[in-house]
Amino acid sequence: IAGITQAPTSQILAAGRRMTLRCTQDMRHNAMYWYRQDLGLGLRLIHYSNTAGTTGKGEVPDGYSVSRANTDDFPLTLASAVPSQTSVYFCASSPGGVNTEAFFGQGTRLTVV
Amino acid sequence: ELKVEQNPLFLSMQEGKNYTIYCNYSTTSDRLYWYRQDPGKSLESLFVLLSNGAVKQEGRLMASLDTKARLSTLHITAAVHDLSATYFCAVVSPWSAGYALNFGKGTSLLVTP
Repeated sequence: IAGITQAPTSQILAAGRRMTLRCTQDMRHNAMYWYRQDLGLGLRLIHYSNTAGTTGKGEVPDGYSVSRANTDDFPLTLASAVPSQTSVYFCASSPGGVNTEAFFGQGTRLTVV
Repeated sequence: ELKVEQNPLFLSMQEGKNYTIYCNYSTTSDRLYWYRQDPGKSLESLFVLLSNGAVKQEGRLMASLDTKARLSTLHITAAVHDLSATYFCAVVSPWSAGYALNFGKGTSLLVTP
C-alpha cells in the first residue's frame, strides 16, 4: 500500500544522545515535512523540503536537522536530545508546489529522559 | 507570520445536535484543508477547499471557505459518537524555501449520548 512510513514508532531516549527519525514515502511526492505535535499546541512545522536537494526551516527548527538526498527519504536528526523534544513527530508529504495537501505517516512518539 | 486560530478548542455535544467549528487565519490564502485525528492516530485529510466560496460535504460534515473574511467553517449536522475526534484546519503559507501548511491548534470534539 502506497504511503509514508516512519520508524521507529516509539522511542525512549536518554538526554544528550543523538537520534535519527526515519521517514520514507513511495508516492513520488516532491515535498516532505516534519511536524511535532504537543498537547495544546497543535502541529508545528520543524523543517520542510519542497524538492530533493533543498530544505528549509520551519517554525521550530532549533535542535533538529534534516537532509533530502533523494525524493523518497527525509530523515530528521536530533543531534543532542533534550527533554523539551519529547513529543509526537509526524512526517508528511505532498505533491509539491501549491498542491500542499499533505499525507501523514503514523507518527513517532519520542520521550527524552 | 501566518496565524491560524480555531475555536472552540474543546467541544462536548450531544448526539443529534448541530454545531460549527470556526477557523480564522491572518494572511491571504486561497487554499485551506481540514483534517481529522483519532486519539493516538495520524491525521486524515477530510476536505480540500481551493477557492472563495468553496463548499464540500461528506456525510454529516460540511466545510466552507470565505477567503475575503479569512474564515473557514466545519459544520456538524446531527452529531453521532463516531464523529468524536480532533479536527484541525490548515492553511498554505509561503516559507523561505517553498510552501507548507500552518495548522490551527485543533478542536477536540466529544459527542455524548
